[in-house]
Amino acid sequence: DAGITQSPRYKITETGRQVTLMCHQTWSHSYMFWYRQDLGHGLRLIYYSAAADITDKGEVPDGYVVSRSKTENFPLTLESATRSQTSVYFCASSESRQNYGYTFGSGTRLTVV
Amino acid sequence: GDSVTQMEGPVTLSEEAFLTINCTYTATGYPSLFWYVQYPGEGLQLLLKATKADDKGSNKGFEATYRKETTSFHLEKGSVQVSDSAVYFCALTLNDYKLSFGAGTTVTVRA
Repeated sequence: DAGITQSPRYKITETGRQVTLMCHQTWSHSYMFWYRQDLGHGLRLIYYSAAADITDKGEVPDGYVVSRSKTENFPLTLESATRSQTSVYFCASSESRQNYGYTFGSGTRLTVV
Repeated sequence: GDSVTQMEGPVTLSEEAFLTINCTYTATGYPSLFWYVQYPGEGLQLLLKATKADDKGSNKGFEATYRKETTSFHLEKGSVQVSDSAVYFCALTLNDYKLSFGAGTTVTVRA
């Protein structure tokens, strides 16, 4: 199906473990983004990518790693999960700058225990 | 830095009531402005947008006008329905492709 898919939808992990959240889009959009959503903070940008092999830090990148070897995939890795990384994570993609807005995935709810 | 401030919720309304959610922005240039909506358990969806001063964005009965003089982009709907219950986010972007979001306003419409 066309669209943007995140997996898993729900994940529980232990402190210190490595976790990878997957994001896949079928439109070949150039831009992709990872946000986290926390009560009282709205959405905060973690990392973004303008194209394959081009990534850059957002507002809250510490503790996260991204890669983008293919245009359609943009995985987010928590190298050593902490409780403060318990959140809902959203991936988004965009065809071009500004005017088209973003298309969001359905989110991954991550709990770190 | 560039930022968006939107009214705190939650907002609870009766069906057919008038809805206003205030949004003001701070930006060094002339941003494009957006409203996104998030229904329970889902990702955000673009509701409407405006890319220059005095533009009015509209969709699904919602409207917002880009007011440069007051740096505002308030969201309005004349008659809400239960199905409008959601979290609404105001957002802006300047000369790059990164969106900055407000904290979100939770709206609950009661039958």
